[in-house]
Amino acid sequence: GQQVMQIPQYQHVQEGEDFTTYCNSSTTLSNIQWYKQRPGGHPVFLIQLVKSGEVKKQKRLTFQFGEAKKNSSLHITATQTTDVGTYFCAGGTGANNLFFGTGTRLTVIP
Amino acid sequence: DADVTQTPRNRITKTGKRIMLECSQTKGHDRMYWYRQDPGLGLRLIYYSFDVKDINKGEISDGYSVSRQAQAKFSLSLESAIPNQTALYFCATSRERTQYFGPGTRLTVL
Repeated sequence: GQQVMQIPQYQHVQEGEDFTTYCNSSTTLSNIQWYKQRPGGHPVFLIQLVKSGEVKKQKRLTFQFGEAKKNSSLHITATQTTDVGTYFCAGGTGANNLFFGTGTRLTVIP
Repeated sequence: DADVTQTPRNRITKTGKRIMLECSQTKGHDRMYWYRQDPGLGLRLIYYSFDVKDINKGEISDGYSVSRQAQAKFSLSLESAIPNQTALYFCATSRERTQYFGPGTRLTVL
């Protein structure tokens, strides 16, 4: 069945360092979405990528969708303490359901 | 006011008890979902509904049932709770692909 794997599971960084999380699907996706869950909170939508090779930026966050539409990455430049949380990718298929990755929990050390 | 609400927010119950988790939304979305979140496993889909007359099983529906009482209401039931159903449960809604999550219900089954 559909699987979306995400690595790493945990990442601790010093404030100001960069951070990247990677997402890989066992099948080709129609789109990929990214969500952020703050500690004690609920997942909140960040962005959606649809096109092969697409790159989108939101301030210090850069999102990429692979050429084969089976992988994606989220890169945060110069992390801040406000970046703390768990980042999930979610792969979409033609059925319009999302398959969530296992998440990467980011800790930022001040 | 929150667009997606869940009740209760926390619940402790005993093995064998029937329990219902409720979700309401004011976003006017047709699509509603129930997920469970466990550490290291991400978000797993239990059931989803694309409109009032449509109910579909997700990847982990065993031991759960749902009812879509109206466009705005989608409830999840555990007919006979067991300890491995201890988890954080999220309801979500969507118009198309982007999902909007409720605050979650933390369920503990003793």
